[in-house]
Amino acid sequence: DIQMTQSPSSLSAFVGDRVTITCRASQSIDTHLNWYQQKPGKAPNLLIYDSSSLPTGVPSRFSGSGSGTEFTVTITSVQPEDFASYYCQQSHTSPPTFGQGTKLEI
Amino acid sequence: EVQLVESGGGLIHPGGSLRLSCAASGFDVSTGYMSWVRQAPGKGLEWVSVIYGGGGTSYADSVKGRFTISRDDSQNTLSLELSSLRAEDTAVYFCATMRYYEDHNGHHPFYYDFWGRGTLVTVSS
Repeated sequence: DIQMTQSPSSLSAFVGDRVTITCRASQSIDTHLNWYQQKPGKAPNLLIYDSSSLPTGVPSRFSGSGSGTEFTVTITSVQPEDFASYYCQQSHTSPPTFGQGTKLEI
Repeated sequence: EVQLVESGGGLIHPGGSLRLSCAASGFDVSTGYMSWVRQAPGKGLEWVSVIYGGGGTSYADSVKGRFTISRDDSQNTLSLELSSLRAEDTAVYFCATMRYYEDHNGHHPFYYDFWGRGTLVTVSS
């Protein structure tokens, strides 16, 4: 199975800060990397797919990049509603696997 | 709009069985691709099982032989039968729809686009 490792595991930021979360794959996954945001007690919500594509409705302050084994998601100006957990997920090879998550705190 | 509603969770003794359901609206379960993903308390997300549009299935090694995914086309419902339950199966179980797309190389990866709110399964004596 492909292992996905996120860093950091937790992160503190102020409203308005620029924040970057990294996800590394144990082997190349091309650009087949998705990001999800999850708030406490809620289901995950798709944030970015195919490494850098934003679904309709996701604010433009979110961006993703990377290919191969290293990926990032960046929030250019963190808003109060962005404080949540973030997970990466690869769909390059079965089984699909997730990173352990990054908790973004105020 | 796609809506997924899970049900069937609860407290169950080790070794017991349980059936989870995921009622779908705005999405055709009979032809779509759907998965179960679980999240142990305070932990990350773990893929459990998938059912493909053609009916084929696949399972995580941790549940293979104990869990069975199925769908009821007449009820537009996805199910997960859990048996020989263990304490480590304690988790919120989410159903999710899968959307495949074509990438720049002509490959077809996917993402989970719609999720239910989840149902909690607690395995404890």
